Amino acid sequence: NAGVTQTPKFQVLKTGQSMTLQCAQDMNHEYMSWYRQDPGMGLRLIHYSVGAGITDQGEVPNGYNVSRSTTEDFPLRLLSAAPSQTSVYFCASSYSLTASGGAFNQETQYFGPGTRLLVL
Amino acid sequence: GENVEQHPSTLSVQEGDSAVIKCTYSDSASNYFPWYKQELGKGPQLIIDIRSNVGEKKDQRIAVTLNKTAKHFSLHITETQPEDSAVYFCAASTSGGGADGLTFGKGTHLIIQP
Repeated sequence: NAGVTQTPKFQVLKTGQSMTLQCAQDMNHEYMSWYRQDPGMGLRLIHYSVGAGITDQGEVPNGYNVSRSTTEDFPLRLLSAAPSQTSVYFCASSYSLTASGGAFNQETQYFGPGTRLLVL
Repeated sequence: GENVEQHPSTLSVQEGDSAVIKCTYSDSASNYFPWYKQELGKGPQLIIDIRSNVGEKKDQRIAVTLNKTAKHFSLHITETQPEDSAVYFCAASTSGGGADGLTFGKGTHLIIQP
């Protein structure tokens, strides 16, 4: 398995340009998420999906769109890039297992290698 | 929403000594607490996690403890080695993990001095 893959690894945009960050996983995971990582801020959740056709907003969704047409892919779209979107973007996926007795779900997130985005 | 505080932001220890990183969380409904290690230029990698029905978990030189009453959890690394140098993040979730994402602490830069 390749795990979670992200493309491109690095991108430079001008303010106002649009682009799509690609994320794919080959582990048949139900859940996928996008995070951004900024110095001193840790990782913050942008959008997430609990399955194909289902997406929801995280902590910092403004300026980003997502869709989930297949289980494998979860692209992140920047419609009009701004300098404030300069960051490192990580995609993550996770599976869900019901613990013995159905007490609660067990989910472990696996992260991709990241995309470094610079908006000028 | 959930808020996770992590301390210290930087920790320098001598090789062979122990390192402890502490986190507190605000939402008493949180039930899943993973720890991630991030090396330069790479994505975070899960190193250990603990769920709310367990007070302590150990995996070789790494252990995590959870105090639900005080709402804090800690990462303990014993017999530190140069390859332990990295940024460590704690996180918390109210959904058991990945359904609605994780709330992360701001990270601890662990430096192992030779």
